[in-house]
Amino acid sequence: SYELTQPPSVSVSPGQTASITCSGDRLGDKYAHWYQQRPGQSPVLVIFQDSQRPSGIPGRFSGSNSGNTATLTISGTQAMDEAGYYCQAWDSRIAVFGGGTKLTVL
Amino acid sequence: EVQLVESGGGLVQPGRSLRLSCAASGFIFDDYAMHWVRQVPGKGLEWVSGISWNSDNIGYADSVKGRFTVSRDNAKNALYLQINSLRPEDTALYYCSKVALRITMAGAFDYWGQGTLVTVSS
Repeated sequence: SYELTQPPSVSVSPGQTASITCSGDRLGDKYAHWYQQRPGQSPVLVIFQDSQRPSGIPGRFSGSNSGNTATLTISGTQAMDEAGYYCQAWDSRIAVFGGGTKLTVL
Repeated sequence: EVQLVESGGGLVQPGRSLRLSCAASGFIFDDYAMHWVRQVPGKGLEWVSGISWNSDNIGYADSVKGRFTVSRDNAKNALYLQINSLRPEDTALYYCSKVALRITMAGAFDYWGQGTLVTVSS
């Protein structure tokens, strides 16, 4: 079965750039989507189709996807961005999520 | 405003059944595929099942195939998940979610409900 691998945790200082990776076999041939989940809340879509931002998502969120790796980048990270982040892709009509990355802003 | 409201969760014994519901509003329900995603508290997201706008295409995760049945009633703007032969490992928060793009089954999930908690224990 298809797998997406994310680092369990990433730390960033306020105002700096955070990068969260998601690795999967030929992931660049698929669309990668990203979700933010704050504690006790439902997931929120922050990037879809590799690099598109839904309305209402701040411009500091961006995404890319090439080769075997998709990357979520948060520029000028704010304290409110501290959350769990999940990548997701489709493979053989199955939705696959990465294991999630806990972003700490400190 | 898009709203997805799940219900039907609870504490159930292993081997029993449960039917989850998701009431949708704020969008043209029969234009969009819908999905169920679950999350063990403190753990990651796991896709469970999806159903196309017209119920012609249905998919399940291997972990639930044969025990879970997804369905929808477009006249009632409702999504359902029938869960049979419940196991302790089915304990999770079950989210209903909507696909971002019309008609397509596969895509990003742009709206999520608040989830309904299923606890399987004797």
